[in-house]
Amino acid sequence: GAGVSQSPSNKVTEKGKDVELRCDPISGHTALYWYRQSLGQGLEFLIYFQGNSAPDKSGLPSDRFSAERTGGSVSTLTIQRTQQEDSAVYLCASSLAVSGGPADTQYFGPGTRLTVL
Amino acid sequence: AQTVTQSQPEMSVQEAETVTLSCTYDTSESDYYLFWYKQPPSRQMILVIRQEAYKQQNATENRFSVNFQKAAKSFSLKISDSQLGDAAMYFCAYRSVWDSNYQLIWGAGTKLIIKP
Repeated sequence: GAGVSQSPSNKVTEKGKDVELRCDPISGHTALYWYRQSLGQGLEFLIYFQGNSAPDKSGLPSDRFSAERTGGSVSTLTIQRTQQEDSAVYLCASSLAVSGGPADTQYFGPGTRLTVL
Repeated sequence: AQTVTQSQPEMSVQEAETVTLSCTYDTSESDYYLFWYKQPPSRQMILVIRQEAYKQQNATENRFSVNFQKAAKSFSLKISDSQLGDAAMYFCAYRSVWDSNYQLIWGAGTKLIIKP
């Protein structure tokens, strides 16, 4: 079946502009995660959605970052007034469940490379 | 807070040989999950292997196996019969059983180069 998809694949923007990044999780997956990967580093957790519950926003680096998930499926990560330090690869992942065991394995999309000039 | 350390920024191995990638972690928890993910140039993270901390038996997946040393907080990945397609960044990750957001905590990665 189809995996996690993300769009756009690459995004170049000017400092101060707003950007929207999209994630389509695997069908039927209840949990969705956003991570940020800066050059040469591991991933940094940003936000987590589970079903219809309120999202866990504890990883968002500033109030310029926000995310929503519509209908328990597609998610959009929005960065307002982008800064050069926002340049990174933004990865989305989804999992079937979060209860423990193999069903909570996170499957990743190919990411969006964001470059802020 | 938990941390994950990968001390080898880059490793190289001859095709068909065996290579071991190191990972150590710090936690005060007794129950957790550990993962190795592979990230090829396509950027997509691919799960290689998963280990539950309560299991003493080391996980294996075909040519990939781990050496899980709970007391030492070490979780190394062994790749046998290395193939050109194994070339990628390899990330070690930790997940707490108790975190309400189920986030993965990541090491900085090891770049694996396969020499033909």
